[in-house]
Amino acid sequence: QSVLTQPPSESGAPGQRVTISCSGSSSNIGTYSVNWYQQLPGTAPKLLIYSSNERPSGVPDRFSGSKSGTSASLAISGLQSEDEADYYCAAWDGSLNGVLFGGGTKLTVL
Amino acid sequence: EVQLVESGGGLVQPGGSLRLSCAASGFTFSTYWMHWVRQAPGKGLVWVSRINSDGSSTTYADSVKGRFTGSRDNAKNTLYLQMNSLRTEDTAVYYCARAMSGTKNRMDVWGQGTTVTVS
Repeated sequence: QSVLTQPPSESGAPGQRVTISCSGSSSNIGTYSVNWYQQLPGTAPKLLIYSSNERPSGVPDRFSGSKSGTSASLAISGLQSEDEADYYCAAWDGSLNGVLFGGGTKLTVL
Repeated sequence: EVQLVESGGGLVQPGGSLRLSCAASGFTFSTYWMHWVRQAPGKGLVWVSRINSDGSSTTYADSVKGRFTGSRDNAKNTLYLQMNSLRTEDTAVYYCARAMSGTKNRMDVWGQGTTVTVS
């Protein structure tokens, strides 16, 4: 079964650095690039990171992504209160022939 | 301004049908691949379908295959999702999203969503 596994929750104090992991398999992250989306409460998702480590214009460089093998991660440095949101990883899955989203990680800024 | 605006959601009984629309503006709609993504109440994002730029190719999640049909009218800059044989588990906010120029799956512009309730 193709799934992307994320921790349900992460937290950090303002100014700290947090990392959100996303674990997949050879049919998705192992072969295709990873995108990360941020969903602020009550709003539509927003593209945060694409191609595993690229930022769309307007996204602060506090956000960074990486990928190694069948896993990816999103790092947020200099944590701010406005970063409190749900974060989702996503990748194409060649076995499912569709886009796979992770279950989402709720980030709490303490 | 680049914008996607969904409409057509509502309350429908199990077994019923709905057609969602997504009106695009501010960009050359006919050159972009498009997606539908849904989110059940309190749950995560789930991909539903994808359509290529000229509408000749569609892909669906297994959960909706055979029941949902994606289409587009490039002359009207509008994306559609025809949903038949609706089930209670189809209850969700449905988002349309644009794939980044030259790509198929990087969703860089999202609509505000339209709510479908099957009950």
